[in-house]
Amino acid sequence: AQSVAQPEDQVNVAEGNPLTVKCTYSVSGNPYLFWYVQYPNRGLQFLLKYITGDNLVKGSYGFEAEFNKSQTSFHLKKPSALVSDSALYFCAVRDWGGGADGLTFGKGTHLIIQP
Amino acid sequence: GAVVSQHPSRVICKSGTSVKIECRSLDFQATTMFWYRQFPKKSLMLMATSNEGSKATYEQGVEKDKFLINHASLTLSTLTVTSAHPEDSSFYICSARDTLGGAQPQHFGDGTRLSIL
Repeated sequence: AQSVAQPEDQVNVAEGNPLTVKCTYSVSGNPYLFWYVQYPNRGLQFLLKYITGDNLVKGSYGFEAEFNKSQTSFHLKKPSALVSDSALYFCAVRDWGGGADGLTFGKGTHLIIQP
Repeated sequence: GAVVSQHPSRVICKSGTSVKIECRSLDFQATTMFWYRQFPKKSLMLMATSNEGSKATYEQGVEKDKFLINHASLTLSTLTVTSAHPEDSSFYICSARDTLGGAQPQHFGDGTRLSIL
C-alpha cells in the first residue's frame, strides 16, 4: 500500500521569506511523486513531479522540490514567498511498480503568506 | 497546457434526483480518468478509475450502483450520482491522464459542488 504524510496542517510565512511544505511518502516500490496546488472552490493545478533523475525538481511559479530517497521525503520549496502563493498544497504519490493506478494524496497543507 | 473541463460547476437539487457530471479532456486524449470526492477541509478520496471502453474500477467502500461511471470516448467520462441524498453532498473532482502513461501527471477539472437538499 502507498501513503503520503503532510505533517503540517498550516504553514505561515512572511512575504519574501523562503518557504517549505513538508511531505513524506511510503511505497513498496519506486515512487512517482507530485505536488499540486488548490485554490478555493477549484480543482488541483499541477506544480511539479519527480520520476527519475535529478533529485531537485523545478516546477511552475518558482516552486521546486527535493527528492530524498533515504528520508522518503519530497518537500516543496520556494526561495521567496508571494502573497499569491497562499493556497492549499497537496503532495501525491503513485508506486510505479505497483498495480494501483490512481494517486494517493496527503491531507493537504494550508500555506498562508503574510504581507 | 493540458486542460480538463468539468461541468456543471455547481448543482443544487432535491433529494432523490439523479445528477450527471461530465469530465472532458480538451486538448489531449485520456485513456484513464479518475473521479475523486473531497470533503470540507479534507484531502481527495479516490472513488473510481475510469478506463475508456471498459468498466470502471471502484475503490473499496464506493457503491458502483450509486455512482455510475461511463467512459465512452478518449475525451469524455461521466459520473452519475443516482437517487442522490443529503449525505452525497460534496465536492467532486475529476482528473485525466494523457495516454502516454503512468509517469504523466493527472490534470484536474475545477470540480463540481453538489448540494442535495
